[in-house]
Formats: sequence, C-alpha cells, structure tokens
Amino acid sequence: QKEVEQNSGPLSVPEGAIASLNCTYSDRGSQSFFWYRQYSGKSPELIMFIYSNGDKEDGRFTAQLNKASQYVSLLIRDSQPSDSATYLCAVEGGFKTIFGAGTRLFVKA
Amino acid sequence: DVKVTQSSRYLVKRTGEKVFLECVQDMDHENMFWYRQDPGLGLRLIYFSYDVKMKEKGDIPEGYSVSREKKERFSLILESASTNQTSMYLCASTPGGANQPQHFGDGTRLSIL
Repeated sequence: QKEVEQNSGPLSVPEGAIASLNCTYSDRGSQSFFWYRQYSGKSPELIMFIYSNGDKEDGRFTAQLNKASQYVSLLIRDSQPSDSATYLCAVEGGFKTIFGAGTRLFVKA
Repeated sequence: DVKVTQSSRYLVKRTGEKVFLECVQDMDHENMFWYRQDPGLGLRLIYFSYDVKMKEKGDIPEGYSVSREKKERFSLILESASTNQTSMYLCASTPGGANQPQHFGDGTRLSIL
C-alpha cells in the first residue's frame, strides 16, 4: 500500500525562525507533491505544489523535492504565529491523492 | 475560485439512522472525493468518483455508499450509522487530468450518538 510518512510533531519554533517540515513517500512512481495547511477546525488549503526535483519558492515558503530519496520538505522562513497549524504532505497516486497524517507546527511569539 | 459546499457544518444523528452528507462544487470538476479525518489517522479516502454515475472505493468504504447523479453533486450515505463513524467528513474536488490539487469543502463534523 502506498504510504506517506510525516513526523506528527508538535514542532515548536520561535517567531522569525525557519520551520522545516519533512515527508517521505513509498511510491517511487509518484509525480506530484503537495503541501496543505490546516488550521484547527478548518479544512486543508493548498499552499505549495512541486513536480520536479529541486527547490520551488513562493514567498516565505520553499518546497524541496528529492525523488531519488523519495523525500519532500517544506521550509517556512521568518515563521509567524499565524503559521501555527497542521501541515499535510500529499502525494499523487493516480486518480487519488495519498495524505500524510500531518505535522503540527507551533510558532511561539 | 473553486467553491466546494458541504450541506452541514455540524450534524448529530443516532445509531442506526441513515445519514446523507451532501457536497456541491461549482467549477465543473470531473473528480470528487469523500474523506474522513480522525486525530492521529489523517485523511482517509472513503470513496471517489471520476465521472457522473461512476464511483470507486477508497481505503475505508465499509459502512458507506455514494451517489453521483449530477456532475456537480456527490453524496455520501451512511447506511446505518454507528458510533465509530463519528468523525470530520471532508469533500473535495479536482479537475480532470493528472497532477491536480484537491479543493476542499469546509467539512461536516458528524456525531453519532
């Protein structure tokens, strides 16, 4: 069965620091990778997607993909208290998307 | 922006009841999905549909069924609700084709008493 693994956390970082969230996946044939942010009591919202090896930057967010190692990560620079949420890693699996269980991030003011 | 609307934010039902959860999307998306989300278990796929009247089982279909009579509407049915179906239910949609992110509704928190 295809799997996506994340450290459940919580990951606690001080305001202004870099938060690093990591994810590994089992299906070597996966082509698309997504990061969703989910605030408590809300539904997930897409914040980043990446298809190619390397880095992709969008504002304070950087997604990193290493297909050889089956590893994808999300870096959040200059972390803010408003970034406190659960971050879900998701990997395309044909018609379906396989989600990790999420990493809880706390940014301390 | 894509709008995915779930009919209820909160719902309380009794064991043995037949429960209907409705989901409507307004962007002509081909694919629609139903997930449940439980603490520590993440999002688990119940059923999905890639076309009208088509449905495919996800990872945890037992105790559920679905209906997709129109492209924009995807319904989840709990045939005889049980307490272990208390959960957050999320509907999502994607356009046709590969590599598409999911667009989620606001979710329905269902409690079975």
